[in-house]
Amino acid sequence: AQSVTQLDSHVSVSEGTPVLLRCNYSSSYSPSLFWYVQHPNKGLQLLLKYTSAATLVKGINGFEAEFKKSETSFHLTKPSAHMSDAAEYFCVVSGDTGRRALTFGSGTRLQVQP
Amino acid sequence: EAQVTQNPRYLITVTGKKLTVTCSQNMNHEYMSWYRQDPGLGLRQIYYSMNVEVTDKGDVPEGYKVSRKEKRNFPLILESPSPNQTSLYFCATRDNSYEQYFGPGTRLTVT
Repeated sequence: AQSVTQLDSHVSVSEGTPVLLRCNYSSSYSPSLFWYVQHPNKGLQLLLKYTSAATLVKGINGFEAEFKKSETSFHLTKPSAHMSDAAEYFCVVSGDTGRRALTFGSGTRLQVQP
Repeated sequence: EAQVTQNPRYLITVTGKKLTVTCSQNMNHEYMSWYRQDPGLGLRQIYYSMNVEVTDKGDVPEGYKVSRKEKRNFPLILESPSPNQTSLYFCATRDNSYEQYFGPGTRLTVT
C-alpha cells in the first residue's frame, strides 16, 4: 500500500520569500513522485516528477523538489515566491507496478501576500 | 496537440436522472482513469482502465460505472445520481513513465 501526507493544508508567504511545501510518502515499491499544481478553476498541471534518476528534481516556474529516501520525503521548494504561484499543490506517489498507480495527497493551498 | 477532453464541463442535474460524462484522449495511452476532487480530500480515484475492455474499481467506485470499448474513450456513467456525487471530476491518461495527463474537469451538481 502507498500513501501521501502533505503536512500543511495552508501555507502563506510574502512575495519574494522562499516557498516550502512539505510532503511525506510511504510506498512498498520504489516510488515515482510528482507535484501537480491547480490554479483556481483550472485543471491540474505537472510541476515536476521524480522517477529514480537524480534526487534533486527541477520543474517548471522555478520549483524544485528533493527526494530523500531516508526521510521518505519529497518537499517542494522555490527560492522566491511570485503572486502567480498562488494555487493548490498536490504531492502524488506512484509505486504500484501497474494497477491503481497514483495516490494523491490532500493538497496544500499556497497563498502569496504582496 | 496532445490532450484529454471532457464533456460537459458543467452539469446541474436532479437526483436519479442518469447521466454520462465523456472522456476522450488522442495520445494512444492504454491507461485511463477517473477521479473526483472534493475539498480537503485531494483527488480520489473512481475507476481505472488498463486497456480496452479492462476496467477496475478505484478507491471510491460506488454509484459509478465505466466502459472502455475503444482505446480513446472512457465514459463515466452515473445511473442514479445522488447529491453526494456533487463534485469536480477529472479524467486522466497515463504514459509509460507514470506521468498523468488530466482533462479540464467536469463540475457536477446534483440537487
